[in-house]
Amino acid sequence: AQKITQTQPGMFVQEKEAVTLDCTYDTSDPSYGLFWYKQPSSGEMIFLIYQGSYDQQNATEGRYSLNFQKARKSANLVISASQLGDSAMYFCAMSTIGSARQLTFGSGTQLTVLP
Amino acid sequence: GAVVSQHPSRVICKSGTSVKIECRSLDFQATTMFWYRQFPKQSLMLMATSNEGSKATYEQGVEKDKFLINHASLTLSTLTVTSAHPEDSSFYICSAASPSGGTRPGYFGPGTRLTVT
Repeated sequence: AQKITQTQPGMFVQEKEAVTLDCTYDTSDPSYGLFWYKQPSSGEMIFLIYQGSYDQQNATEGRYSLNFQKARKSANLVISASQLGDSAMYFCAMSTIGSARQLTFGSGTQLTVLP
Repeated sequence: GAVVSQHPSRVICKSGTSVKIECRSLDFQATTMFWYRQFPKQSLMLMATSNEGSKATYEQGVEKDKFLINHASLTLSTLTVTSAHPEDSSFYICSAASPSGGTRPGYFGPGTRLTVT
């Protein structure tokens, strides 16, 4: 079974500063994928970034980067130069080959960007 | 990117009635579709996995007779909430996956907000 833990229910960051959202995971499957999604108040799930368990380098997508530390089983999301539009709920999620690509989600972190 | 649509986006129904939610993959064939449920201020929880042409697989605790899933074609899956009750009020989101996705999950639809009065 897979488990995703997000220990920060809420985070605040000043506009233009960087913020790190924490995520730890647990799985016995050697092949897995880690994802971050943004969910604004509209409810849609917006894919941000993906990291494969065998990827050697940390994933980056524009202002988003994933700090992947395999030995510590952590996959933290770093948002650089925060913008007001980044205020939303952020979910860390995992899928594994063994789980047929179903996603297991963490509890989420509500990020608020302050002007 | 791939587009997945859901209809309706919002529905209000009376207790005891049934509601059908459609999930369509618009520009790819989805052999597998996932249905998630999200209660207010909570995370997404997988309800069931449906593969085209076969019966859905439900997660533990999800009543298969209450949440009927049909995946009759490679572009359409439907979730029918039968005899809905106020506790079924939730945000329902589908995800459609293509065969070539590897470990990558599917593409999410925009969700359907169900309110049962």
